[in-house]
Amino acid sequence: GQNIDQPTEMTATEGAIVQINCTYQTSGFNGLFWYQQHAGEAPTFLSYNVLDGLEEKGRFSSFLSRSKGYSYLLLKELQMKDSASYLCAVVDSNYQLIWGAGTKLIIKP
Amino acid sequence: IAGITQAPTSQILAAGRRMTLRCTQDMRHNAMYWYRQDLGLGLRLIHYSNTAGTTGKGEVPDGYSVSRANTDDFPLTLASAVPSQTSVYFCASSDPTSGDGSEQFFGPGTRLTVL
Repeated sequence: GQNIDQPTEMTATEGAIVQINCTYQTSGFNGLFWYQQHAGEAPTFLSYNVLDGLEEKGRFSSFLSRSKGYSYLLLKELQMKDSASYLCAVVDSNYQLIWGAGTKLIIKP
Repeated sequence: IAGITQAPTSQILAAGRRMTLRCTQDMRHNAMYWYRQDLGLGLRLIHYSNTAGTTGKGEVPDGYSVSRANTDDFPLTLASAVPSQTSVYFCASSDPTSGDGSEQFFGPGTRLTVL
């Protein structure tokens, strides 16, 4: 079966750094997405990794290790507006997205 | 309009009734998708369409049907709604020819309650 694992909830402090992990077991791999979803809203694209390594975009970075079936999203200089759910999704061998349940990130002042 | 729109925003429906959720995009994306999102579960694919005139079944297709008569519209129909279909429904689209892994763009969602 196909499986994406993420922590259900994490708490961090404004201004700090947080790392959200994602491990996956899928039939094939054609890339990994991270999306952000604020409560009551639609998911929005954050990052895409298809090769091993770190991709940096401003305060957000995403890392991929295909051999370990592992990715993380790193958020720096946390702001209150970063309170949201973060969804990990893997593109499988049929080029369909398999979604994790998401990690709810709570930012405290 | 710009992006993807969905209608209605929310709906309360009696069990057994027929309901069509509408989705329209103006980005000329070939691929479109319908997901449902339930608390504690990831987005689950109901149906998809890789191009106008074709559709396919996703992970949870039972009780739902779709059509893709043109590029812009991708309606989702519940023939006879049941309470387990209470969920938030998201429509999405992507351009498989883009170089960014076919990022999916999402509509604002429809919150459906079946009583």
